[in-house]
Amino acid sequence: TQLLEQSPQFLSIQEGENLTVYCNSSSVFSSLQWYRQEPGEGPVLLVTVVTGGEVKKLKRLTFQFGDARKDSSLHITAAQTGDTGLYLCAGRNAGGTSYGKLTFGQGTILTVHP
Amino acid sequence: EAGVAQSPRYKIIEKRQSVAFWCNPISGHATLYWYQQILGQGPKLLIQFQNNGVVDDSQLPKDRFSAERLKGVDSTLKIQPAKLEDSAVYLCASSQGSGQDYGYTFGSGTRLTVV
Repeated sequence: TQLLEQSPQFLSIQEGENLTVYCNSSSVFSSLQWYRQEPGEGPVLLVTVVTGGEVKKLKRLTFQFGDARKDSSLHITAAQTGDTGLYLCAGRNAGGTSYGKLTFGQGTILTVHP
Repeated sequence: EAGVAQSPRYKIIEKRQSVAFWCNPISGHATLYWYQQILGQGPKLLIQFQNNGVVDDSQLPKDRFSAERLKGVDSTLKIQPAKLEDSAVYLCASSQGSGQDYGYTFGSGTRLTVV
């Protein structure tokens, strides 16, 4: 099973600050997805990145896939209280017996204070 | 479009009892997943169905967990008998396919507490 490590595990910031969440692995992924989960709800897909070095922007959120497709980052500019939630990265296995399987990181709990 | 429906939302049972969860995926989604999410952790895949066939159940504790998707639409996940460590949120997700471009749509989950 390929492992994804997210950092930091917890992030507490003030509204208006910038932040970056990292997702790292020693394995190569064919694609990587970011999800956001609010308490009592299931994760909601934010973005899928497929190509090494790819950068995608979603309003104040910027997602990057590493050149080697082993890592990814999520950067939020000018955080708002509505950004509070659990952010999960999930990598799709590139090979081996678990080809195509989606593996989740342990998540980053973001709290944005007013 | 309607989302992934799960029921019940909450369930409290005593250890050694049985429990069943139900999931109705998005219409037309051939692939259905059951995930277990323990508090503070990311979701862990229990079983993946493609239509009514099992694709991956390598992490399903088969001595106590079972799942079926008989007609290739809705699915049930059963735990019998439950243990304290089964306390978690059980998430159902569906996707149009299993290729890399397909994102998952998750239901709201069933929060199970075993006492």
